[in-house]
Amino acid sequence: RKEVEQDPGPFNVPEGATVAFNCTYSNSASQSFFWYRQDCRKEPKLLMSVYSSGNEDGRFTAQLNRASQYISLLIRDSKLSDSATYLCVAGGSYIPTFGRGTSLIVHP
Amino acid sequence: DTGVSQNPRHKITKRGQNVTFRCDPISEHNRLYWYRQTLGQGPEFLTYFQNEAQLEKSRLLSDRFSAERPKGSFSTLEIQRTEQGDSAMYLCASSLRRDQPQHFGDGTRLSIL
Repeated sequence: RKEVEQDPGPFNVPEGATVAFNCTYSNSASQSFFWYRQDCRKEPKLLMSVYSSGNEDGRFTAQLNRASQYISLLIRDSKLSDSATYLCVAGGSYIPTFGRGTSLIVHP
Repeated sequence: DTGVSQNPRHKITKRGQNVTFRCDPISEHNRLYWYRQTLGQGPEFLTYFQNEAQLEKSRLLSDRFSAERPKGSFSTLEIQRTEQGDSAMYLCASSLRRDQPQHFGDGTRLSIL
């Protein structure tokens, strides 16, 4: 079993839709969590950190559920430019571990 | 530009050759990571430095791979006797603390002929 698991998708949604991704982690000692965005053949770029109480950045909301060991990313009012792969990361006292990413395709 | 810098951006070489990649982290970041990424997968951890000390190495890192970070600044990743399976994107990232987000360079795309 992988340490960080994500549904690879693709999630195919129309512009304006709301879409949510989940990511589960197996290491209960994980303390830091992040979402990264990766465009095709580019490097991962930090989208947002995930805080225990949940946090929002514009159209993006991240949440953490420690009991069930998952983090989520919600994207509201999807734009064409949101099309990318979204990687979740769990870390803390150990090396940050990446999921394989979830592919999002936003179509007109 | 004060981001993470990697070079070369692309490397094409014949099987059996040695290659070396360089990474210059963000200057105040003392933690430096190397990852490898293949199509459809997330970045896979290779090795980690805190300052000049190489603190962790993945089991993925065979004896053909070696990394250094002299003086705790830039780092190099060398692959000896390259194999077809080494074709991948090699990513370098740095961070200020282990629990803080990593910042990635553009990566070096390695193609083995």
